[in-house]
Amino acid sequence: GENVEQHPSTLSVQEGDSAVIKCTYSDSASNYFPWYKQELGKRPQLIIDIRSNVGEKKDQRIAVTLNKTAKHFSLHITETQPEDSAVYFCAASIQKLVFGTGTRLLVSP
Amino acid sequence: DAGVIQSPRHEVTEMGQEVTLRCKPISGHNSLFWYRQTMMRGLELLIYFNNNVPIDDSGMPEDRFSAKMPNASFSTLKIQPSEPRDSAVYFCASSLLGPGLINEQFFGPGTRLTVL
Repeated sequence: GENVEQHPSTLSVQEGDSAVIKCTYSDSASNYFPWYKQELGKRPQLIIDIRSNVGEKKDQRIAVTLNKTAKHFSLHITETQPEDSAVYFCAASIQKLVFGTGTRLLVSP
Repeated sequence: DAGVIQSPRHEVTEMGQEVTLRCKPISGHNSLFWYRQTMMRGLELLIYFNNNVPIDDSGMPEDRFSAKMPNASFSTLKIQPSEPRDSAVYFCASSLLGPGLINEQFFGPGTRLTVL
């Protein structure tokens, strides 16, 4: 079955810096790669997703890149703000989502 | 739409008791997913349904866990008997799946279960 690895497990940045979170997956048939943000005590919420026929997608300060050959994808957050502090999960999917272990991002003012 | 609805939001019970968690998916979604989240194991898929039919229950921990979806607007996850190691946050999510196509999963607020 699919296996998703996510790094780093924790990431601390200063406000205004960029943050990058990386994930690798094992099943080359996976075709959908969402990223979820989970604030403390809240539900996971989708922030951006990418499908296997696209290499990059951007939405304001967040972007995701996908390298199908290498089977890895990354989340990029630019101009980080304190409200970006949360746990971020990547996932890979054919029909069901397999989640990474999460990255705790802390943005210090 | 009110989004995915789960009840109860919090449940505290004693070991050995039966626990039933409930979920109402978003109207029009054809797939429903039950997840368990713990610090140690992260976010795990327990089971998912498509058009009310269980498709993959390989994540269900053991026979103490069971899930049903009697109709398109309701699902239950039951634990009987409950054990302290079942303590976790249980999320229900729904989505619209098509042939070879997966879309965003919308998560409910979760049920925080504590088994004493």
